[in-house]
Amino acid sequence: DAGITQSPRHKVTETGTPVTLRCHQTENHRYMYWYRQDPGHGLRLIHYSYGVKDTDKGEVSDGYSVSRSKTEDFLLTLESATSSQTSVYFCAISSTGNYGYTFGSGTRLTVV
Amino acid sequence: AQKVTQAQTEISVVEKEDVTLDCVYETRDTTYYLFWYKQPPSGELVFLIRRNSFDEQNEISGRYSWNFQKSTSSFNFTITASQVVDSAVYFCALSAETSGSRLTFGEGTQLTVNP
Repeated sequence: DAGITQSPRHKVTETGTPVTLRCHQTENHRYMYWYRQDPGHGLRLIHYSYGVKDTDKGEVSDGYSVSRSKTEDFLLTLESATSSQTSVYFCAISSTGNYGYTFGSGTRLTVV
Repeated sequence: AQKVTQAQTEISVVEKEDVTLDCVYETRDTTYYLFWYKQPPSGELVFLIRRNSFDEQNEISGRYSWNFQKSTSSFNFTITASQVVDSAVYFCALSAETSGSRLTFGEGTQLTVNP
């Protein structure tokens, strides 16, 4: 009911393969984010978007790229997956930034 | 730059005990926002509270209360009469005006409430 969905929910992939995770929202929010969650690190920002085709890097952006061609979709691509990218990935949306953030259910990615 | 520190990695209590989760933040901004999120074992992130830097009034919501002190850069969270369902990872987070809309998280505190 939150208006944000992530796909897939789970994925196992091999080292060196490209992987794309999708975040879809129905709230028409301006801001979208990708975070990764790892034990001992909390959630760390990978990339974020402040509008269609407007994106910027977060603190752990190496090895990741993003695209936002439509307001509702924010794609995260691992160009060549590595084992260090095994993590849980969360997408978030926000209408104004700073006010409130709604998170998706997460994608558990395992790179073998 | 902004930073959030949750020094307590794990806390274990017995049901009905009160427990306080600590959060210390760093930012040079005068306008900023503080958040607490709960992550139960199911994995989703549940929003608990948002507080802006100009509102130091403490807040109570049922068994939950929050103590915001700018003088010590802390935003602590207390659960009164804890219950097993409170078992979760709790995250404190910060968003500062000059950081755009980016939310910075602490490392999280794993709370276990035992029956």
